[in-house]
Amino acid sequence: DAKTTQPTSMDCAEGRAANLPCNHSTISGNEYVYWYRQIHSQGPQYIIHGLKNNETNEMASLIITEDRKSSTLILPHATLRDTAVYYCIVRVATSYDKVIFGPGTSLSVIP
Amino acid sequence: DSGVTQTPKHLITATGQRVTLRCSPRSGDPSVYWYQQSLDQGLQFLIQYYNGEERAKGNILERFSAQQFPDLHSELNLSSLELGDSALYFCASSVTSSISTDTQYFGPGTRLTVL
Repeated sequence: DAKTTQPTSMDCAEGRAANLPCNHSTISGNEYVYWYRQIHSQGPQYIIHGLKNNETNEMASLIITEDRKSSTLILPHATLRDTAVYYCIVRVATSYDKVIFGPGTSLSVIP
Repeated sequence: DSGVTQTPKHLITATGQRVTLRCSPRSGDPSVYWYQQSLDQGLQFLIQYYNGEERAKGNILERFSAQQFPDLHSELNLSSLELGDSALYFCASSVTSSISTDTQYFGPGTRLTVL
């Protein structure tokens, strides 16, 4: 039982911004939101994380709503190499340090 | 390159056999996590070790066991293998013991095929 909900798949045109949503309505006050991605059969790669404030790094931006019940990962200029499965993760509040990767969003960047 | 290494890259074996997967975390990272990813399945957390001690358990079968050594490398032992154990096995490492607040760095994985 993943604690996050993400769309199964999304398409994005190359060069455009990719906006990947995630719902995490049961998130607790001290739980971070993490985003990872997995390019086919490779190890997952860390992208970004945040607690309350919006965050930006060289890969992406993370927008967290004020109530923290949802977030959006933004890839500002998607390239073909961004085609991957994107996982949004928060801690499972009922289990100490267990983490559940849901099915994620399969992002296809189209030329 | 995440700095986490896993060996072997590929492993093919028969049902009923036992195999050992090895993971070397990033230099100095005391936490090691093991995950299983079956075909068309998401990543399933198996187990976590921190400085040699088991810290958290996920959906790990009794036929599977793991350990972390003083040099912080870890091994995942899979025994009495079944066809359904065929999967990608990933190792990850982090600086702290907390999955919820710490970034994990994943290795390239070991692809296990049970025939």
